[in-house]
Amino acid sequence: SQTIHQWPATLVQPVGSPLSLECTVEGTSNPNLYWYRQAAGRGLQLLFYSVGIGQISSEVPQNLSASRPQDRQFILSSKKLLLSDSGFYLCAWSPRGLLSTEAFFGQGTRLTVV
Amino acid sequence: GENVEQHPSTLSVQEGDSAVIKCTYSDSASNYFPWYKQELGKRPQLIIDIRSNVGEKKDQRIAVTLNKTAKHFSLHITETQPEDSAVYFCAASKGNTPLVFGKGTRLSVIA
Repeated sequence: SQTIHQWPATLVQPVGSPLSLECTVEGTSNPNLYWYRQAAGRGLQLLFYSVGIGQISSEVPQNLSASRPQDRQFILSSKKLLLSDSGFYLCAWSPRGLLSTEAFFGQGTRLTVV
Repeated sequence: GENVEQHPSTLSVQEGDSAVIKCTYSDSASNYFPWYKQELGKRPQLIIDIRSNVGEKKDQRIAVTLNKTAKHFSLHITETQPEDSAVYFCAASKGNTPLVFGKGTRLSVIA
């Protein structure tokens, strides 16, 4: 069966510090991978998605970036965090192929920028 | 791109009553419409979904209806129970685009 791992679960970082959140998927090949952010009252906002290694699509211009160095690994990064980057970050995957299908979410990372 | 509007943002019902959450979408080419439930502090999980070739789908106390002409779809929960209390998200997608979510509805079922 497929599983998705996301870490850390919680993170408190000072303004201006770098960020690296990692997500890995097991039990499937060439999945579609996603990063969503959930802020209070704003629902689930898509940040990045990837349909293959090295292929990253950005949905929201901001100081975050994503990378997919391996087939089942997705990393969310920032060089300098802003207060507005606080939120609940969710990694998700869906089976390779069409994107119009169920997405499976990781447990999430609650990021607080102070 | 796709835009999904969800109403209401909060909903309180008495235990045993029905709850209805409505969503509208903007892209007439969207063909997949899932609903997710997120309990406090947990990940969103799929509870039901519908594709554009179907008008209605039911799974026990949960049902989803789709009106392609009006571009809206709804989640219906009957005989609500306290464990139905959560945040519910609708979403829409077409073949080559990821899920676009609504802003969520916080449902409270009062015992």
